[in-house]
Amino acid sequence: GAVVSQHPSWVICKSGTSVKIECRSLDFQATTMFWYRQFPKQSLMLMATSNEGSKATYEQGVEKDKFLINHASLTLSTLTVTSAHPEDSSFYICSARDRASYEQYFGPGTRLTVT
Amino acid sequence: ELKVEQNPLFLSMQEGKNYTIYCNYSTTSDRLYWYRQDPGKSLESLFVLLSNGAVKQEGRLMASLDTKARLSTLHITAAVHDLSATYFCAVNQGGKLIFGQGTELSVKP
Repeated sequence: GAVVSQHPSWVICKSGTSVKIECRSLDFQATTMFWYRQFPKQSLMLMATSNEGSKATYEQGVEKDKFLINHASLTLSTLTVTSAHPEDSSFYICSARDRASYEQYFGPGTRLTVT
Repeated sequence: ELKVEQNPLFLSMQEGKNYTIYCNYSTTSDRLYWYRQDPGKSLESLFVLLSNGAVKQEGRLMASLDTKARLSTLHITAAVHDLSATYFCAVNQGGKLIFGQGTELSVKP
């Protein structure tokens, strides 16, 4: 089956530092990946759409200079949270769209805590 | 702008009982998804519904889709404690998934 991995699964960082989260499709190619953020007891909110070889498309209200997305290959997208603040603490989930089936598969999520 | 609304948002059930979660969406879409999320975990795919009248069943869960009414239902039959989780519906909009608020289900003995 289609598998998406995320690394790290959890990370704690100090306020003001940057942290990078990786999203990989392990057994399929994904021209498009999506990044979601989920606060406790809330739904998933789409942050941005990541397209291989081109700039990401950000949803309204998401700061593109703060959440840097790079989709360098058909199997890897990265999200870098720059100058992290405690309010950035959240559960970040990526999904990857299989270029063959067009179905989306979700990663296991990364829990970010900013102290 | 596509809006997806679920109800109820919280559901406390007794084991053995039946109940239905509703998912309404505001504009036409070609597919609707149901996911399960356990605390601290990511999403687990349950169903994808592609056409009007589609019905899918897996164990004690059955999902249906009425595209004319823009309504999907997730029916739980004879609930058991293991079904306790948060359930999300999501609707495809131009390749992006728009999620409902989620329904937190608690099944008590």
